[in-house]
Amino acid sequence: SQKIEQNSEALNIQEGKTATLTCNYTNYSPAYLQWYRQDPGRGPVFLLLIRENEKEKRKERLKVTFDTTLKQSLFHITASQPADSATYLCALPRKGGSQGNLIFGKGTKLSVKP
Amino acid sequence: KAGVTQTPRYLIKTRGQQVTLSCSPISGHRSVSWYQQTPGQGLQFLFEYFSETQRNKGNFPGRFSGRQFSNSRSEMNVSTLELGDSALYLCASSLTGLFQSGANVLTFGAGSRLTVL
Repeated sequence: SQKIEQNSEALNIQEGKTATLTCNYTNYSPAYLQWYRQDPGRGPVFLLLIRENEKEKRKERLKVTFDTTLKQSLFHITASQPADSATYLCALPRKGGSQGNLIFGKGTKLSVKP
Repeated sequence: KAGVTQTPRYLIKTRGQQVTLSCSPISGHRSVSWYQQTPGQGLQFLFEYFSETQRNKGNFPGRFSGRQFSNSRSEMNVSTLELGDSALYLCASSLTGLFQSGANVLTFGAGSRLTVL
């Protein structure tokens, strides 16, 4: 069955540094991968989507890579700020499922210290 | 435009009771998905509705059910509540729910936090 893992439950970094979060998946070759941000008591918010034929995607201070050989996506936040502190989730479409049927990783809680 | 609205935001029930949660999607969005989020299991897919039809169902017991109305608003119901049903229930809407190769982004509501005592 499909599996998706986010290696770190928590990541603590200093303000200004680059945060790198990892998402690995198995038993599947997804057409795309998504990253969401979730703040406490709120629903996830979509950040970036990267397709299987894209190596890298950028949005302001965010960068996502997608290595279909390694079955891995890396999510980078450059020049991190305390406001970036949140839980970040990666998600894949479920094989054979419809568009609303995503498999989510359990998330990495990022804490950026001033 | 207004986001996804979920009601109620918080509720407390006792074992054996039933609960109904409501979700109003973004205007124009025809697909509504429901997820259960717990600290141990993370986000788990419950079901998805598109044009009043259930498209997909996750691996949850039959006590969990849902429906979608002609205006795309959706409700989910949990009967005979158990302690393990305590969770944040999230609704997400998207433009389409069709089986297609294109990607679709989900817009989530703030969730309904259910506590079962």
